[in-house]
Amino acid sequence: AQSVSQHNHHVILSEAASLELGCNYSYGGTVNLFWYVQYPGQHLQLLLKYFSGDPLVKGIKGFEAEFIKSKFSFNLRKPSVQWSDTAEYFCAVNKGNTGFQKLVFGTGTRLLVSP
Amino acid sequence: GAGVSQSPSNKVTEKGKDVELRCDPISGHTALYWYRQSLGQGLEFLIYFQGNSAPDKSGLPSDRFSAERTGGSVSTLTIQRTQQEDSAVYLCASRAPGEYEAFFGQGTRLTVV
Repeated sequence: AQSVSQHNHHVILSEAASLELGCNYSYGGTVNLFWYVQYPGQHLQLLLKYFSGDPLVKGIKGFEAEFIKSKFSFNLRKPSVQWSDTAEYFCAVNKGNTGFQKLVFGTGTRLLVSP
Repeated sequence: GAGVSQSPSNKVTEKGKDVELRCDPISGHTALYWYRQSLGQGLEFLIYFQGNSAPDKSGLPSDRFSAERTGGSVSTLTIQRTQQEDSAVYLCASRAPGEYEAFFGQGTRLTVV
């Protein structure tokens, strides 16, 4: 069965620090990859997505992620975090080429950015 | 509507009671998903609707859980004889035809006491 692993459950950073959140998935076929973010008290929203093409994708608010097929990874990065980035981040995967069925989510990473 | 709407936003129920959770997807979105978010568990897939049919209901944890969708729009998730382990945030998402992005609602926080 597909699974998604997010190794960092809690991350605490100071403003302006660089961020990298790990995400690994187990499915070996074609995949679509997503990062969702949930700000305190708000609903889940899409941060960025990868379907095909350039493995380095850029999303909103200065976030980017790199798909490394050989490592089954899709790590999220941001060069300089802000206090407003405090949120929970979820990596998600679904099978490609079969239409969108279900997204399989990781357990999430809680990021706290101190001012 | 402007977004996915879920009601109620909070529900406290006694163990053994039945509950119904409602999801209004974005207008025109044919795909609808239910997920459950428990503390430290991430998002657990429950069921997927395409139109009114449910091609994937593999995530429903027991026969106490059921869901339906009528008119290709509103969906209801029903939990019968609730147990304390059913306490969680239940999230609904919808997706437009041909698109990959799913839009989530605010969720219903269910507490079984």
